[in-house]
Parts: sequence; structure tokens; C-alpha cells
Amino acid sequence: KQEVTQIPAALSVPEGENLVLNCSFTDSAIYNLQWFRQDPGKGLTSLLLIQSSQREQTSGRLNASLDKSSGRSTLYIAASQPGDSATYLCAVLQSYNTDKLIFGTGTRLQVFP
Amino acid sequence: DGGITQSPKYLFRKEGQNVTLSCEQNLNHDAMYWYRQDPGQGLRLIYYSQIVNDFQKGDIAEGYSVSREKKESFPLTVTSAQKNPTAFYLCASSRTGTHTGELFFGEGSRLTVL
Repeated sequence: KQEVTQIPAALSVPEGENLVLNCSFTDSAIYNLQWFRQDPGKGLTSLLLIQSSQREQTSGRLNASLDKSSGRSTLYIAASQPGDSATYLCAVLQSYNTDKLIFGTGTRLQVFP
Repeated sequence: DGGITQSPKYLFRKEGQNVTLSCEQNLNHDAMYWYRQDPGQGLRLIYYSQIVNDFQKGDIAEGYSVSREKKESFPLTVTSAQKNPTAFYLCASSRTGTHTGELFFGEGSRLTVL
């Protein structure tokens, strides 16, 4: 059974720091991995989608990498800003059940001025 | 603007009542999904639909029902059979029917049972 883990559960950093959020999964047979952002009481916003054949995706200050063999993905946020404060979730799509995304429990990030 | 609209944003229900959460999308997406989010847990799939007039159970379908009569609409009914319905409910859609594309979410509906 696929399990997705995100560590740490919470992170607090000063503005301007570069930071890395981690996502690990137990079954490497995935189609893709997606990173989301969730603000308190809101829905999820897709940040980056990495297909299983890709190693990384970039969007602005965000860079996500994928290492299927080790079951890991990282989300790198450069020059963090207070507006980056949110919960970040990763989700993997199983290759043998193409209609089920498995979500991690998220990392709650706070960037203080 | 294209997007997913969920209503109501907040809903209170007495025990024993059925309630229906609305989800409408104007993205012309084929697939739609309902997830439940509880504190400290990842999102869990309740139901999904890949095409009009068809839907499939997710991991936690017991006590819930859905319909997909129109491509744009995928309402979720929380029935009195759902033992612990207080949660944050999220509707999502994707362009393709097999989750291979990017997933777009609504703003969510928070249901509280009194």
C-alpha cells in the first residue's frame, strides 16, 4: 500500500532563506507527483506536476525534483517570502490505479519578516 | 474566469439530516472528484467521475452519494449514514479522466454536525 510522508510537519524560517520541503513515498511505481499549496481554510492550488519520466520542474522561485528509485521528491523554495506561508502538500498517482491520488499530510510553512 | 465553484462555504447540520454540497466547474474538464480533509490527515478520496452519468467509489464512500448528470456539475450528498461527517470537503477536476493531468480544486465546503 502506497504511503506518502512529509517531514517536517511544520517549519518556521526567516524571510529570505532558501528552504527544502521533503516528500517520500513507499512504492516507486508512480505516474506522476504533484505539489500543492493550501492556505488556511482554502482549497489546494497546484504548484508543480512532475511526470515519472522527468527529474525536475521549475516555476519561478519553486523547483521540484523527483527521484523515483529512492522514493523521494523535494520542493525547493528560493528566497522565501512571508507570502509563501501556507501548507504544502505532495501527492502521487499510482501507476496501477490511475484514478487515485495519494496525499501526504503536508508541511505547514511559516516565513516571518 | 474558469474555475471550480463550491457552495456553501460553511454548512451546519443536525444529526440525522442529509445535506448536499454543490460543485460546479466551467473548465470543460471530463473528470471530477470529491475529497475529504481532516486535521492531521491527508486528503481522502470519496467519489470520482470520469464521464457524465458514471462515477466510482473512492476509499471512503460509505455514507456518501453523488450524481453526474451534467459535465459541469458533481454534487455530493452527505447522508445520515455517515458516522463522522464533520470535515472540510474539497471538489476537484482534471482535464483527462485518469488523473494523469493537473488537478484543480475548489475553495472547499466546511460541514459541521451539531
